Amino acid sequence: NAGVTQTPKFRVLKTGQSMTLLCAQDMNHEYMYWYRQDPGMGLRLIHYSVGEGTTAKGEVPDGYNVSRLKKQNFLLGLESAAPSQTSVYFCASWSGQGSQPQHFGDGTRLSIL
Amino acid sequence: SQKIEQNSEALNIQEGKTATLTCNYTNYSPAYLQWYRQDPGRGPVFLLLIRENEKEKRKERLKVTFDTTLKQSLFHITASQPADSATYLCARGNTDKLIFGTGTRLQVFP
Repeated sequence: NAGVTQTPKFRVLKTGQSMTLLCAQDMNHEYMYWYRQDPGMGLRLIHYSVGEGTTAKGEVPDGYNVSRLKKQNFLLGLESAAPSQTSVYFCASWSGQGSQPQHFGDGTRLSIL
Repeated sequence: SQKIEQNSEALNIQEGKTATLTCNYTNYSPAYLQWYRQDPGRGPVFLLLIRENEKEKRKERLKVTFDTTLKQSLFHITASQPADSATYLCARGNTDKLIFGTGTRLQVFP
């Protein structure tokens, strides 16, 4: 049981390049989330999804797009990377039951030069 | 706006002592608070959840309290060990989302 898997684990981009981060969960969870974590800022929600085919904006959505074509996958895209998007990105999933926690992947460390 | 505040300064304690971490929230009390542990280079891992109507929750050496008057949750680790060294995150439930604090780094030295 892998839980939540994120690929890639590390990536270095040049300003203006694009890329897609992949998140996969095997727990059949309805909800999936993308966060970024920066020093002193904590986890901030970028986008999330309440089910297959749905997406919604979080606290810091600008510069990112997402897609949830399959229930188990949640993709985060950067169309034109900027140095301000250098961060650690975490994906999480949730069953939708209030007493249950979110389950996190181990993150993607992204540097934009 | 709803916020979660944790002491950003690291907490250094000696092995065997009790570590106490603080989480303060603003505005109305959340239905529940969650505590997570995060090790360097890893994602957060869930530890405990405490509901608004619960004053205290325990799990092995961990204890969490929820004080709606003080708008505060305390997280205790008794008989702390070097292996408890990590960053601990507090989060409040907000319908289908969580709002996280910045975390407090705990260092337990022998």
